Amino acid sequence: QSALTQPASVSGSPGQSIAISCIGTSSDVGANKYVSWYQQHPGKAPKLILFDVSVRPSGVSDRFSGSKSGNTASLTISGLQPEDEAHYYCTSWISSTNLVFGGGTKLTVL
Amino acid sequence: QVQLVQSGSELKKPGASVKVSCKGSGYTFTKHAINWVRQAPGQGLEWMGWINTDTGKPTYAQGFAGPFVFSLDTSVSTAYLQISRLKAEDTAVYYCARGGDCFDSWGQGTLVTVSS
Repeated sequence: QSALTQPASVSGSPGQSIAISCIGTSSDVGANKYVSWYQQHPGKAPKLILFDVSVRPSGVSDRFSGSKSGNTASLTISGLQPEDEAHYYCTSWISSTNLVFGGGTKLTVL
Repeated sequence: QVQLVQSGSELKKPGASVKVSCKGSGYTFTKHAINWVRQAPGQGLEWMGWINTDTGKPTYAQGFAGPFVFSLDTSVSTAYLQISRLKAEDTAVYYCARGGDCFDSWGQGTLVTVSS
């Protein structure tokens, strides 16, 4: 299966908002609510920041929000902070036994 | 607190095998699946599959059967990833991650380097 499509890079200044898209198909993103987002800093393990499209795990800042329309999911980060600079990955379940990651987006905070 | 602790880095020659461990603590190990994720140097994340920690049944993503085997030892709350017939392109960081719908806890990663 093909990876979900994410922009390779996005950037923003501190305090601004940015959005990262995750484009799939009617077989994955468009098929169910099981879209998650992960943040990965260099040399570190990924960290779950959103699941079920828009649900934040305990302890994750409310500056992170998610949405979905059709086959496209989006992660929005508001009030950008320097520590938000990282790679971001979306995932979606294709079936109960098959999952696909997005290619990843590098966020640069200018 | 929930924690997954993986075994240390490995340096292997082509054709050898490696076994990476992932020990869970802070929760009931058999109530949450363990997934395996690969990250080649400078690349993105790639889902390898998962193992049902209750039944021991593994599910492999496309391209990850054969040399890749998931197993468990529930008596010590540990999942294993074994890779046989290693190739240079297997050089990567391998992560274990807990969860079904989403991966809410990750191991620290194990770097496997395959080089002659």
